[in-house]
Amino acid sequence: GQQLNQSPQSMFIQEGEDVSMNCTSSSIFNTWLWYKQDPGEGPVLLIALYKAGELTSNGRLTAQFGITRKDSFLNISASIPSDVGIYFCAGPSSNTGKLIFGQGTTLQVKP
Amino acid sequence: ETGVTQSPTHLIKTRGQQVTLRCSSQSGHNTVSWYQQALGQGPQFIFQYYREEENGRGNFPPRFSGLQFPNYSSELNVNALELDDSALYLCASSYNYGYTFGSGTRLTVV
Repeated sequence: GQQLNQSPQSMFIQEGEDVSMNCTSSSIFNTWLWYKQDPGEGPVLLIALYKAGELTSNGRLTAQFGITRKDSFLNISASIPSDVGIYFCAGPSSNTGKLIFGQGTTLQVKP
Repeated sequence: ETGVTQSPTHLIKTRGQQVTLRCSSQSGHNTVSWYQQALGQGPQFIFQYYREEENGRGNFPPRFSGLQFPNYSSELNVNALELDDSALYLCASSYNYGYTFGSGTRLTVV
């Protein structure tokens, strides 16, 4: 079945640094979604991408929908301690239309 | 607008028992999906309900079943609990791809 692979698995950075994480798949996705999950909470949608090549920002977050439709990246600029959490990419399965999630990138920010 | 509410927040059950988890959808959302999230993993799709009918199912055995009610709230039932069923169970209500997740129910099977 379709899978989403996220890298890196975890990151430990200094406050103020920029962060970049990726999501790739061997199959095409027509929508890419980026979620953040805080401990003890459900995922919260950060950015939605609907068109190949699309670059979308949400405050300090920027995400791009890859031209091949098989990848996406999420950048966080000038990280702050509240950016700590697990970041997931997700997309609708071409078979079922239901959301598939990557395994997540855990971000830790040192003040 | 109200968000997605799940109950209970935490639950401990014994292997072999049955459990019912509940979810209240966000206002205006007619679709509800349930996900299982094991520790350190991304959420895995269990099933989805649209207007009280099952509308897609992931790779989960029949002992995982669900219901959606006319007010779009939902239940997830798991029979004959196994130790591997220990996980965070997430409910998401949606309209198109606008998924809103609840905070989840942490189920521990001992």
